Amino acid sequence: EPEVTQTPSHQVTQMGQEVILRCVPISNHLYFYWYRQILGQKVEFLVSFYNNEISEKSEIFDDQFSVERPDGSNFTLKIRSTKLEDSAMYFCASSQDVTNTYEQYFGPGTRLTVT
Amino acid sequence: LAKTTQPISMDSYEGQEVNITCSHNNIATNDYITWYQQFPSQGPRFIIQGYKTKVTNEVASLFIPADRKSSTLSLPRVSLSDTAVYYCLVGDQGSFKTIFGAGTRLFVKA
Repeated sequence: EPEVTQTPSHQVTQMGQEVILRCVPISNHLYFYWYRQILGQKVEFLVSFYNNEISEKSEIFDDQFSVERPDGSNFTLKIRSTKLEDSAMYFCASSQDVTNTYEQYFGPGTRLTVT
Repeated sequence: LAKTTQPISMDSYEGQEVNITCSHNNIATNDYITWYQQFPSQGPRFIIQGYKTKVTNEVASLFIPADRKSSTLSLPRVSLSDTAVYYCLVGDQGSFKTIFGAGTRLFVKA
């Protein structure tokens, strides 16, 4: 069964550094998402992406964040200058088509630790 | 996006049927109801989705009354491995902004 993959599984970085989290969505999916989950809290929507542009973003997704689909398979989330409060699990998800964007398939997540 | 309300937590025993109810009084005509499951340190997993009446798959059933202001996720004969957080989401299938609530933490005991 096809699945969403994410790398790395765990990233440790120092405050102020840039990080790039990588995702490979399911191959025939067209819609891509990033979420984060701070330990013990709910899953928070960050951004959705379709046709090489952002479709929706939350208030969390400020100028420090950017997303990109650099090639036909990868989908990345960049945090330009990490803060301590960026420490969280980051999940990538994908969905197949616009008729059902609520049926999303999530990756295993990247645990980001900012020290 | 319709606001959803679920119990914070529920306990059950192995082999029992578990019903988790979600209230969504402000559901819109185009909104669907979707349920996800999340195990610790894993991403959410899509379980089931419906618009009205009853939907069943190999994992769960979803019951939606005629007024659609609530829905009930039914898990038949739960096992210890069903211990997880269950999220109810309500929204337009074509929406690009997916909002998760706090979910219901189900704890299955032996």
